[in-house]
Amino acid sequence: AQSVAQPEDQVNVAEGNPLTVKCTYSVSGNPYLFWYVQYPNRGLQFLLKYITGDNLVKGSYGFEAEFNKSQTSFHLKKPSALVSDSALYFCAVRARTVETGANNLFFGTGTRLTVIP
Amino acid sequence: DAGVIQSPRHEVTEMGQEVTLRCKPISGHDYLFWYRQTMMRGLELLIYFNNNVPIDDSGMPEDRFSAKMPNASFSTLKIQPSEPRDSAVYFCASSSGGGAGKNIQYFGAGTRLSVL
Repeated sequence: AQSVAQPEDQVNVAEGNPLTVKCTYSVSGNPYLFWYVQYPNRGLQFLLKYITGDNLVKGSYGFEAEFNKSQTSFHLKKPSALVSDSALYFCAVRARTVETGANNLFFGTGTRLTVIP
Repeated sequence: DAGVIQSPRHEVTEMGQEVTLRCKPISGHDYLFWYRQTMMRGLELLIYFNNNVPIDDSGMPEDRFSAKMPNASFSTLKIQPSEPRDSAVYFCASSSGGGAGKNIQYFGAGTRLSVL
């Protein structure tokens, strides 16, 4: 079963407009949820995480994400997009590997955000 | 700290050759992860270590792939023999404590492997 889903391969937004990158998850128990960003020819960089507490999590570069337990979602948001936000964004959730039962971090397929000047 | 260091950054080899990718995790981190990224399959976890011990290698595609972590500051991922379908970007990441997947993972810049 897929642990995390990013339904949009591509999101385009005009500079200055709010942006949302969607993520839904499917795990048992309380989820550990993360957002990472990948710039061209670079490794992934941590943006923010949710483990417990306030459903609205604030992270790096003005990004925030809202944990919604009833909708099993963890959408990434930013009030005003910058051209420099253009990158590949990954949602990730901690879940157990079926084969071994070990806990791992499972990444979504990624959403390419393009901010148009 | 310089972050997670991977070498080489780029590797071009011919089918059938042995390839060794190297990773130096952040000092003090006790988890080390190897990932593979392709357009078709996205980001896949291959194997991870805790305190130098392999914990989950269920993502290793086949016996041609092997990984070692002889000490806390060094790990290798070896492909022997390499095949064109192994062409991908391979990332190493490390994290500190708390259990796999609980804490922030710090990624290296990756090794772009091309097998001709």
